[in-house]
Amino acid sequence: NAGVTQTPKFRVLKTGQSMTLLCAQDMNHEYMYWYRQDPGMGLRLIHYSVGEGTTAKGEVPDGYNVSRLKKQNFLLGLESAAPSQTSVYFCASTEPGTSGFRTDTQYFGPGTRLTVL
Amino acid sequence: QKEVEQDPGPLSVPEGAIVSLNCTYSNSAFQYFMWYRQYSRKGPELLMYTYSSGNKEDGRFTAQVDKSSKYISLFIRDSQPSDSATYLCAMRFKAAGNKLTFGGGTRVLVKP
Repeated sequence: NAGVTQTPKFRVLKTGQSMTLLCAQDMNHEYMYWYRQDPGMGLRLIHYSVGEGTTAKGEVPDGYNVSRLKKQNFLLGLESAAPSQTSVYFCASTEPGTSGFRTDTQYFGPGTRLTVL
Repeated sequence: QKEVEQDPGPLSVPEGAIVSLNCTYSNSAFQYFMWYRQYSRKGPELLMYTYSSGNKEDGRFTAQVDKSSKYISLFIRDSQPSDSATYLCAMRFKAAGNKLTFGGGTRVLVKP
């Protein structure tokens, strides 16, 4: 199993450009998440999905859009990149449930380092 | 004020020492508490999981939760250089979506 993979690993954009980050998981997880990580800020939730065809806003959704057309994929889009979106982006997935180790183990991808000039 | 506060460190200790990490939080509705470990340029991985107040031990790692004080701790005994990483606390409500709220992370350096 590859687990959670993210494409691309690195990207440099100019202000105003658009791009899509792809997250794929092969664990048949229902829930998927997009986070951004900035120095000293920990991980902040951008958007998440509780199943194919569903998405919801997280803590910092402005400037991002997402789509979950297939269960195994979760796409994060930046329509008009801004320097404030320079960050490391992580995708994660988990199984649904109310509690327990399995349902709180979010499996993370390796991250995408994005720089917006 | 952040919902979850964590000292950013770095925390430097000699090999074999006990590492003590902690987080404070403001929302008493958090019920599930976790510690993630993140190596440099890698994604976080779950290290410890506890529900409500109490202690949990797993090998060299002990997690403590004190809900009355809104305070959680992670202790690493007999620390090794391989324990050098950033440790992130995380917590969540008993709600749909399993959304986690993370602390800012503490960088730990274990010197041989």
